[in-house]
Amino acid sequence: QKEVEQDPGPLSVPEGAIVSLNCTYSNSAFQYFMWYRQYSRKGPELLMYTYSSGNKEDGRFTAQVDKSSKYISLFIRDSQPSDSATYLCAMSVPNDYKLSFGAGTTVTVRA
Amino acid sequence: DAGITQSPRHKVTETGTPVTLRCHQTENHRYMYWYRQDPGHGLRLIHYSYGVKDTDKGEVSDGYSVSRSKTEDFLLTLESATSSQTSVYFCAISVTSASEQFFGPGTRLTVL
Repeated sequence: QKEVEQDPGPLSVPEGAIVSLNCTYSNSAFQYFMWYRQYSRKGPELLMYTYSSGNKEDGRFTAQVDKSSKYISLFIRDSQPSDSATYLCAMSVPNDYKLSFGAGTTVTVRA
Repeated sequence: DAGITQSPRHKVTETGTPVTLRCHQTENHRYMYWYRQDPGHGLRLIHYSYGVKDTDKGEVSDGYSVSRSKTEDFLLTLESATSSQTSVYFCAISVTSASEQFFGPGTRLTVL
């Protein structure tokens, strides 16, 4: 079993829809949680960075962490074709350089 | 890409040849990382550096070596390239070991 599980999709939604992405993990020591966006043939770009449990909102993006269920989510409101990309979750334990990545979910937003 | 450049951006080489990839940063971050990205495997850490001349292995370090003689440069060397090393290679940087990592644009390497 992988340390971080992420459904690879693909996920296709119409423009304006809410995109819901999630990852589950097995290591209860994870405290830092990240979401990266990766456009085709580009490097991953950090979208959200959260510590421990709770919600964090940044514009159209909301990240949620539920440590009791070992489950994190990313919501994209009012999705746009420019949101079409692969979204990677990542997480780490305190004071550790090592990031554990999910495999990524490919999202297409149809105009 | 957070002041990170990678060179070359694309390379095709033959099995058995040595290959060196370069990562250059202008952010003066202490930590630098090399990852490879393959379908079905996601991003996997090859090596990382926590300072000039200070490096350590990641989870897929076999067949790779690294060097860091200056804060801004981190080199990844494939001593004798194999077809299994065909991949996209990403460099990343971070301020501390626990802070968020920022990625470069990647190098697409094909070993024939």
